[in-house]
Amino acid sequence: GAGVSQSPSNKVTEKGKDVELRCDPISGHTALYWYRQSLGQGLEFLIYFQGNSAPDKSGLPSDRFSAERTGGSVSTLTIQRTQQEDSAVYLCASTARQGRNSPLHFGNGTRLTVT
Amino acid sequence: GQSLEQPSEVTAVEGAIVQINCTYQTSGFYGLSWYQQHDGGAPTFLSYNALDGLEETGRFSSFLSRSDSYGYLLLQELQMKDSASYFCAVRVRGSGGGADGLTFGKGTHLIIQP
Repeated sequence: GAGVSQSPSNKVTEKGKDVELRCDPISGHTALYWYRQSLGQGLEFLIYFQGNSAPDKSGLPSDRFSAERTGGSVSTLTIQRTQQEDSAVYLCASTARQGRNSPLHFGNGTRLTVT
Repeated sequence: GQSLEQPSEVTAVEGAIVQINCTYQTSGFYGLSWYQQHDGGAPTFLSYNALDGLEETGRFSSFLSRSDSYGYLLLQELQMKDSASYFCAVRVRGSGGGADGLTFGKGTHLIIQP
């Protein structure tokens, strides 16, 4: 596709429910990142996928969070037993190459509201 | 870990010049990036500095001093559309053999007044 696509754009869920957030990166991009952005805050790193290598999960805040990337393309971020503090915008980004000056291309994010 | 400091808000006048500073503390530093984010939008890449000095791209310039762990973004001939949040981000060596990471600051909200 032309850009990074994320769905849904908005998600309202009740506390305790599970949610799945989807990211479709730019075609051919081998690296994929998930970040979380709370209101007025910076981007908090969650998880990183690079090709077929094991993902870097060092940013996941708890074991309620998990992510997978199937076929080296689409990624799903799953949050189990959601809590109100999980409310944030979840941003996905991809990059074409692993070089250190490779810019990240972000999607528009999924705004998650836990009531 | 890494930490970045940038002002939370800066106000400037249309047509003027504004500088947004960023200081960082990190290990395994590779370079400093800048991203722009309009309200409700996705962050977009502006620049990357790996070496000391000034990089210019149109109205935007970015500067890095590795010895001072400091950089800035300079915006000239400000336009109303430049009203946005600007994030600095450091690229650092991955730990434990992992991939390089990109850590973002909390962002600077730039307000342009007519």
